[in-house]
Amino acid sequence: VIWMTQSPSLLSASTGDRVSISCRMSQDISSYLAWYQQKPGKAPELLIYRASTLLSGVPSRFSGSGSGTDFTLTISYLQSEDFATYYCQQYYSFPRTFGHGTKVEIK
Amino acid sequence: EVQLVESGGGLVQPGGSLKLSCETSGFTFSNYWMTWVRQAPGKGLEWVAHIKQDGSEKYYVDSVKGRFTVSRDNAKNSLYLQMNSLRAEDTAVYYCATEGGWGGFDYWGQGTLITVSS
Repeated sequence: VIWMTQSPSLLSASTGDRVSISCRMSQDISSYLAWYQQKPGKAPELLIYRASTLLSGVPSRFSGSGSGTDFTLTISYLQSEDFATYYCQQYYSFPRTFGHGTKVEIK
Repeated sequence: EVQLVESGGGLVQPGGSLKLSCETSGFTFSNYWMTWVRQAPGKGLEWVAHIKQDGSEKYYVDSVKGRFTVSRDNAKNSLYLQMNSLRAEDTAVYYCATEGGWGGFDYWGQGTLITVSS
């Protein structure tokens, strides 16, 4: 099983801030990492796959970086619609695993 | 337009069974690995099960092995999850989703709530 450490669990920020979320793996997963956004009462939405490739339609203020064991999701200029919970997920092997989530809240 | 619609959720007693369905449209179902992901109330996402395009490979999280069975019917563009010996800790919203060719779960249903309680 690949264990994932996602941090922070809670991030308080203001509109216009630059924020980063970290995801660390227990073993090398190359670039087989995805990032999701989830808003209350809604299904998650895929933002990024292959660690750094934005899904079509995802705003360019979102970016992903990293490979191997350390990954980062960055939102360069936080907008009101970005306040949500974010999850990383590895698809290098089974079982697929998710990080515990980072809630981005308004400061 | 891609659509995934789960059904079959509800209240069930501990030890009981339920079968979830996920009806899909708007894409070539038989080309995709499919997955079930769940989310307990107020908690994070947990991957549950995965099935290959032709149903020849299936994978499960340890906590459901021997109790849950994932299946699919490509002729009906549908995914299923048979859940037996249900426990209180299985209470969650269950989502079906596609796994895209480049990885990541790119299309999701709206979810169906399973409550295991006496």
